[in-house]
Amino acid sequence: SAVISQKPSRDICQRGTSLTIQCQVDSQVTMMFWYRQQPGQSLTLIATANQGSEATYESGFVIDKFPISRPNLTFSTLTVSNMSPEDSSIYLCSVAGTGNYYEQYFGPGTRLTVT
Amino acid sequence: SQELEQSPQSLIVQEGKNLTINCTSSKTLYGLYWYKQKYGEGLIFLMMLQKGGEEKSHEKITAKLDEKKQQSSLHITASQPSHAGIYLCGADIPGGTSYGKLTFGQGTILTVHP
Repeated sequence: SAVISQKPSRDICQRGTSLTIQCQVDSQVTMMFWYRQQPGQSLTLIATANQGSEATYESGFVIDKFPISRPNLTFSTLTVSNMSPEDSSIYLCSVAGTGNYYEQYFGPGTRLTVT
Repeated sequence: SQELEQSPQSLIVQEGKNLTINCTSSKTLYGLYWYKQKYGEGLIFLMMLQKGGEEKSHEKITAKLDEKKQQSSLHITASQPSHAGIYLCGADIPGGTSYGKLTFGQGTILTVHP
């Protein structure tokens, strides 16, 4: 398995500002993903973070709102831009392709509240 | 898109009782994942099933995938308060290049009374 850390663990932000969330893995992984979990909801995939190239976004998510970087095989960032209260969610990174190739592990999440 | 239905939505049991959570798909599952989530926290990986008829166990938790690969069950034997949390099933979104992209069920909230 992989040990995944996220920073910050939680934050309270004002409307219109941006927050960058970091995801660090203790080993090189093939795949990294970003998910969102809105209050009382299940998880929704935002995008696949591609190493050295632009992220691949799912329907309903765009790069201008959620820019993602992945400079190497152990690190990725997700920025939530121009935030509104509707962005209040838990944001989770996940990784796959370590050890058992098909197993996917999640970070502890970043709880974001936008006021 | 792939839809996963979990049942029940919530479950309250007395400590020591057995319980089962189901996850049903409208399409064939290529990889079925079970996770546990404590409120407001990240997901803890429990098990992953890929083959029809596959069954895996870890401690008191057993997960099965049916032969048609459209339904999975998670069974907890002799439940304990430590089993309480939200159980989520997730599945690979079908498609040759979409490995690792998971869609999730709505979750089952488990409460275990001591």
